[in-house]
Amino acid sequence: GDSVTQMEGPVTLSEEAFLTINCTYTATGYPSLFWYVQYPGEGLQLLLKATKADDKGSNKGFEATYRKETTSFHLEKGSVQVSDSAVYFCALSTYNNNDMRFGAGTRLTVKP
Amino acid sequence: DGGITQSPKYLFRKEGQNVTLSCEQNLNHDAMYWYRQDPGQGLRLIYYSQIVNDFQKGDIAEGYSVSREKKESFPLTVTSAQKNPTAFYLCATYKGSYGYTFGSGTRLTVV
Repeated sequence: GDSVTQMEGPVTLSEEAFLTINCTYTATGYPSLFWYVQYPGEGLQLLLKATKADDKGSNKGFEATYRKETTSFHLEKGSVQVSDSAVYFCALSTYNNNDMRFGAGTRLTVKP
Repeated sequence: DGGITQSPKYLFRKEGQNVTLSCEQNLNHDAMYWYRQDPGQGLRLIYYSQIVNDFQKGDIAEGYSVSREKKESFPLTVTSAQKNPTAFYLCATYKGSYGYTFGSGTRLTVV
């Protein structure tokens, strides 16, 4: 079945460091890909998305490019801030959107 | 503002009790979902509903039940048959142009 694999955490960075969180997927069709962010004690918020190959999603300095050839959707940010500390989830949804498949989440801690 | 309201935010259950988690939305979205989140794990789908009076089991439906009598409401009951119910429960809606929207969650603890 469809699934998402993302790098295990936790990830600890210093402020202004470069961030990459790897995400790869397996899907039978042409999924839409997402990154969600979860702050402590809260639900998930959509960070960015891409709906077809070579699309780049971006928001708040974060970017991810839908790479069909490598089945990947890695999350990047050039300079992280303390306020970026959260858990990040990669996810996919299939054409019929009956449900969304999530990765296990990667906890990011940014230290000043 | 439109959104999803989950209540209560914290819930405690005694062994052998059924408890019901509330999820209400005013987004006018057709599809609603319940996910379970355990520490260090991703979200797992419990139940979903795409229209009123219809719902489908997800990956981990055993020990849970739902109803969808109104478009706005999708309550989840955690029954005594669920042997390990302590978790964070998230309700979500879906509409194509908006994608998925999540509530702020209910943390259930067995005492």
